[in-house]
Amino acid sequence: NAGVTQTPKFRILKIGQSMTLQCTQDMNHNYMYWYRQDPGMGLKLIYYSVGAGITDKGEVPNGYNVSRSTTEDFPLRLELAAPSQTSVYFCASSYTRQGDYEQYFGPGTRLTVT
Amino acid sequence: AQTVTQSQPEMSVQEAETVTLSCTYDTSENNYYLFWYKQPPSRQMILVIRQEAYKQQNATENRFSVNFQKAAKSFSLKISDSQLGDTAMYFCACNSGGGADGLTFGKGTHLIIQP
Repeated sequence: NAGVTQTPKFRILKIGQSMTLQCTQDMNHNYMYWYRQDPGMGLKLIYYSVGAGITDKGEVPNGYNVSRSTTEDFPLRLELAAPSQTSVYFCASSYTRQGDYEQYFGPGTRLTVT
Repeated sequence: AQTVTQSQPEMSVQEAETVTLSCTYDTSENNYYLFWYKQPPSRQMILVIRQEAYKQQNATENRFSVNFQKAAKSFSLKISDSQLGDTAMYFCACNSGGGADGLTFGKGTHLIIQP
């Protein structure tokens, strides 16, 4: 199992550009999440999904969009990038069976908006 | 809504010593889970240990153990016989029993193990 994979690892965007961060998991998890980590801070939830076709906002959703057309993939779209979106982005997935809510994280994408 | 507070931005101990990282949390849920994640310089998030709120027994994983005080909403991590490889950021996190709404993280503690 590759686990949770994210692409790209690094990206530099100009203000106003758009991009999609890719996330794929091969563990057949139904729950998937996107977090951002700003310098010196913990992770904050952007969006999450409980299954294909179902998404919901987390704590900091403004400026982002998501879709979940398959169990495996959960891309995060940035429209009109702003300097405030400079951060490290983590995708994660988890089971929902009782007693096992461990989230498995991807390696992260470092995004800089200038 | 949940909140997680880690009051120690940085800690430094000598190799082989024991160190305790503090965490307090607040949640209105009756069924919830608590986690400690380690983030080394590679930035990969690694689960260290987890605790289910309905279990009174403190979780233990090799050199890592927790002190879970449910009434005080406290969840500290004890690392015994610390090793150089334990140097990392440590994050305390909480989620509700359903798990769907993601984890709420503290700001982290930077732990440095000195040789």
